[in-house]
Amino acid sequence: DQQVKQNSPSLSVQEGRISILNCDYTNSMFDYFLWYKKYPAEGPTFLISISSIKDKNEDGRFTVFLNKSAKHLSLHIVPSQPGDSAVYFCAASVPGDYKLSFGAGTTVTVRA
Amino acid sequence: DSGVTQTPKHLITATGQRVTLRCSPRSGDLSVYWYQQSLDQGLQFLIHYYNGEERAKGNILERFSAQQFPDLHSELNLSSLELGDSALYFCASSAYSGNTIYFGEGSWLTVV
Repeated sequence: DQQVKQNSPSLSVQEGRISILNCDYTNSMFDYFLWYKKYPAEGPTFLISISSIKDKNEDGRFTVFLNKSAKHLSLHIVPSQPGDSAVYFCAASVPGDYKLSFGAGTTVTVRA
Repeated sequence: DSGVTQTPKHLITATGQRVTLRCSPRSGDLSVYWYQQSLDQGLQFLIHYYNGEERAKGNILERFSAQQFPDLHSELNLSSLELGDSALYFCASSAYSGNTIYFGEGSWLTVV
């Protein structure tokens, strides 16, 4: 049962433009959301997170938006750089349970 | 470098065999998680240990078992291996009060 869904398996964007990655979830108990970035043959690297009490969190070029009513979150990368080419995973957890539920991932390719 | 160490990095073994994957969490982290990533699949949660005690089980097969030792390192034991067990196995850790988990670089298991 996939509680976290990333419906776009891939995204191609030109260098310097904005990358927008989307994530939907079904479990209304989720209160903490994270994005991880993964290069081939490496472990996922924590990128940015957001608590359900916020609707936006920004860290440098990365901004995560949370729409609780729609059970939707998105990650914006501005401007996109070649080093951003990777697989991005959305993840979520419920209160008191540190286990994360992951989406299937979106492969981002940044074109020069 | 996330601070989570996994060994071995690569392992090739035959069907029916048993292997042990080892994980050392980040310094001070009490929680250890194991995840499996098969080809073209997202990250599947296997099991979570906190300070030596099992806290949650996910899609972990009965042929698989894990434990966390008093020094907080963890081992994932995979037995009666099948071809379908070939995957990347990730260990992750988190602080007792944190929801962000940090991943190791993974152990590549190939069953032939």
